[in-house]
Amino acid sequence: GAVVSQHPSWVICKSGTSVKIECRSLDFQATTMFWYRQFPKQSLMLMATSNEGSKATYEQGVEKDKFLINHASLTLSTLTVTSAHPEDSSFYICSAGPGLSYEQYFGPGTRLTVT
Amino acid sequence: TQLLEQSPQFLSIQEGENLTVYCNSSSVFSSLQWYRQEPGEGPVLLVTVVTGGEVKKLKRLTFQFGDARKDSSLHITAAQPGDTGLYLCADTGGFKTIFGAGTRLFVKA
Repeated sequence: GAVVSQHPSWVICKSGTSVKIECRSLDFQATTMFWYRQFPKQSLMLMATSNEGSKATYEQGVEKDKFLINHASLTLSTLTVTSAHPEDSSFYICSAGPGLSYEQYFGPGTRLTVT
Repeated sequence: TQLLEQSPQFLSIQEGENLTVYCNSSSVFSSLQWYRQEPGEGPVLLVTVVTGGEVKKLKRLTFQFGDARKDSSLHITAAQPGDTGLYLCADTGGFKTIFGAGTRLFVKA
């Protein structure tokens, strides 16, 4: 149980285009999901907290107009990188928990490369 | 802002050796978690510890939580190449999770 999936697993896009990444909880409902970014050989940095039915909460320094988050249902959150630039190239990971537990389960990540 | 420091940053050892990695927090942990992440994949939860002084074992892995709940160690006995990966400690402060920078372990066959 407690499986989180992401789609796509990798994507290459041209500078200036937008890319949507999906995060799904497959066997549980999640009112809250988290989006992280990980640069090569670095740790995970929390970007934003995705809240079902309401606006996402962004961490300091993360542009909300550039990283659009939509949590349309209890099993799906999407992250859209708008007007992508090469510096947005990174590994994007989402996580979710099955309830009030502090434990989170991570998706397999999405490798974004912007050319 | 809570800071988690992990040491060493990088460790390369031979198969069969033992090793210990450490995680220290600038403040008391709410709950401490250890994860292992392999290249190109998301982190996988290894253990959660909550009580000061707690010791948990997972096969060849032993996790210790300091009495003051500000530090933790992960000991691996007889390391195997399959243990290679990035080991991350994290604190879920009731809601958000803060990660340490990780220890990158490489076990040579």
